[in-house]
This record gives sequence, C-alpha cells and structure tokens, in this order.
Amino acid sequence: EIVLTQSPGTLSLSPGERATLSCRASQSVSRTYLAWYQQKPGQAPRLLISGTSNRATGIPDRFSGSGSETDFTLTISRLEPEDFAVYYCQQYGNSAYTFGQGTKLEIK
Amino acid sequence: QLQLQESGPGLVKPSETLSLTCSVSGDSVSNSRYYWGWIRQPPGRGLEWIGSIYYGTSSYSGTTYYSASLKSRVTISIDASKNQFYLKLSSETAADTAVYFCARHYPVTHSFDYWGQGVLVTVSS
Repeated sequence: EIVLTQSPGTLSLSPGERATLSCRASQSVSRTYLAWYQQKPGQAPRLLISGTSNRATGIPDRFSGSGSETDFTLTISRLEPEDFAVYYCQQYGNSAYTFGQGTKLEIK
Repeated sequence: QLQLQESGPGLVKPSETLSLTCSVSGDSVSNSRYYWGWIRQPPGRGLEWIGSIYYGTSSYSGTTYYSASLKSRVTISIDASKNQFYLKLSSETAADTAVYFCARHYPVTHSFDYWGQGVLVTVSS
C-alpha cells in the first residue's frame, strides 16, 4: 500500500497570503492518479484537483497543483476566507486508493 | 445534477453486520464510464477507502475492488434497476464507528468527483 504523508499538519495563515501544502508518497505515484480534496466541518470532501494539476469544475484558479513521482504540492495563491478547511491528497496505485492524513489550514 | 444519498442504521451492535445503501440520481450506476465507491472517516480522523464497484457492460453483478485491510469483511453490490449500490461490513467493532460516504469515481484519473453527504454509523451495545 502506498502511504501518503502530508505536511504540515496545521498551517496558520492570514487571508490574502499564499498557502503551500505538501504530499509525499512512500513510492512513486503516477501524475494521472494524484488528486486533492477540500473538506469543511460536517461536509463531504470536495474534489479540487485531479491528475496532479487539473482543476475540477468550478474550482477557482487560485488553486493549483504540481509535482511528480513522490512529491506533490497544492498551492493556494491568495487565501480567501472560505479556503480555511482541511485538505487531503489521494492516490491510486496497486489497485488501491489511499489518502493522506490531511493538512488543516487555519486562520492566523 | 448528480446526487448521492447514503441511508442505513445509525447504530450497530458489536459483531453485527452494517448495511448501507447509496441511492443515485442524475446518473445511472450502470454508466460504464464510472466506478462507485465507499469511503469512511472515523470521528476527527482522515479518510479511508473501503471498496468500489464497476457495473460496466459485462456483468449484472459488477466487478468489485476492496481495501486489503477490510477485504475479509466487506461486500459491495449494485442494483441497476433501483439505481443503488450497497455496502455490507461484517463483524463490526467500535473501530468501525465512522461517517460513511458513497462517491462516484472516474477511472481515467481515479479521483472521486461526486460524494454523498455521509452517514454516521456508531458501533455500540
């Protein structure tokens, strides 16, 4: 099973600042099979990015994804108040899906 | 607009079997472009994939894929006539207490693009 480790566990920033979230895999992941989700309290996760860098329908362009092999990054260029939430990366490999443990983005 | 809705008992006794239903509207579970899956989230913790099913065109019962850690206890099935798919998880313990989500996923990118709102299942006597 491929393990995804996200860092930092918690990120404290102010609206307007840039957020950089990391996702590191225990072995190489296909760029096609790396996704990012946003989850707010009491809600289901929402797909933000698939295929490492492709924004899902309706996702603003301040969200961007990059990376390859074992290191992937989600960047939020300029934080809006509604962006403070928990973010998960997810991969598919070896016929299984795994998620990272999440990064909580909180208001500073 | 695609919608998924989980339903099932909110309380299950230890050692019993959890049974959940995911009702789909706005798409067909027999749509060969997509898979349908179950994911769970223990309170205050992260997401865990349970398993998925693909109806496709070759079988009325669907092709299933399960998490290795849960495989011995999980059964996922599908009923295209009702546009529903199902989760059964046997031998429940307190560690199975979680919010259970059903979701659609796209096999090209293997990402989960539509989710149900989730249902909390508590395992307790």
